[in-house]
Amino acid sequence: GQQVMQIPQYQHVQEGEDFTTYCNSSTTLSNIQWYKQRPGGHPVFLIQLVKSGEVKKQKRLTFQFGEAKKNSSLHITATQTTDVGTYFCAGPSGYALNFGKGTSLLVTP
Amino acid sequence: DVKVTQSSRYLVKRTGEKVFLECVQDMDHENMFWYRQDPGLGLRLIYFSYDVKMKEKGDIPEGYSVSREKKERFSLILESASTNQTSMYLCASRQTGGGYEQYFGPGTRLTVT
Repeated sequence: GQQVMQIPQYQHVQEGEDFTTYCNSSTTLSNIQWYKQRPGGHPVFLIQLVKSGEVKKQKRLTFQFGEAKKNSSLHITATQTTDVGTYFCAGPSGYALNFGKGTSLLVTP
Repeated sequence: DVKVTQSSRYLVKRTGEKVFLECVQDMDHENMFWYRQDPGLGLRLIYFSYDVKMKEKGDIPEGYSVSREKKERFSLILESASTNQTSMYLCASRQTGGGYEQYFGPGTRLTVT
């Protein structure tokens, strides 16, 4: 079945440094979604990408969907302590979503 | 505002007990899901339901069952709780169709002793 792999598993940065997490699917995706889970919280939807090569920005966050629609990335410019949490990508799988294992980001002031 | 609620934030049960975790959504979503989340393992799908009384196994259904008698409510049942079922359990709901986001409840942290 479809596998969604996410790397790295953990990332520790100094505040102000950039951060990138990568998501790779074993199959072509019709769309990909990104979620953020703050420590002690639950996953919250950030964005969805649909088109091949699509790039979307949310303030300091840049999301990309690969040309082949099998990979995606989330890049955070100049991290802040509020960016701490786990970032998940997810691809559709029938009625459900297939989540990557997530990248946990720790930001040191 | 969209809402998914879970019956308990924290629960402590003994080995062998029958455990019910309840989830309610107020968005009239067709699809509801139960996940467990463990460190390093991400979100693993236990069961989901795409309609009332309909259910499908996810990736790790062993030791669990579910019930969906009403559209807004989806219950996860641990028939005989075991210590390896100690985990965070997250319920979610989603509208049918491509591209709809998934809404998660706050989670229930279950400890089986």
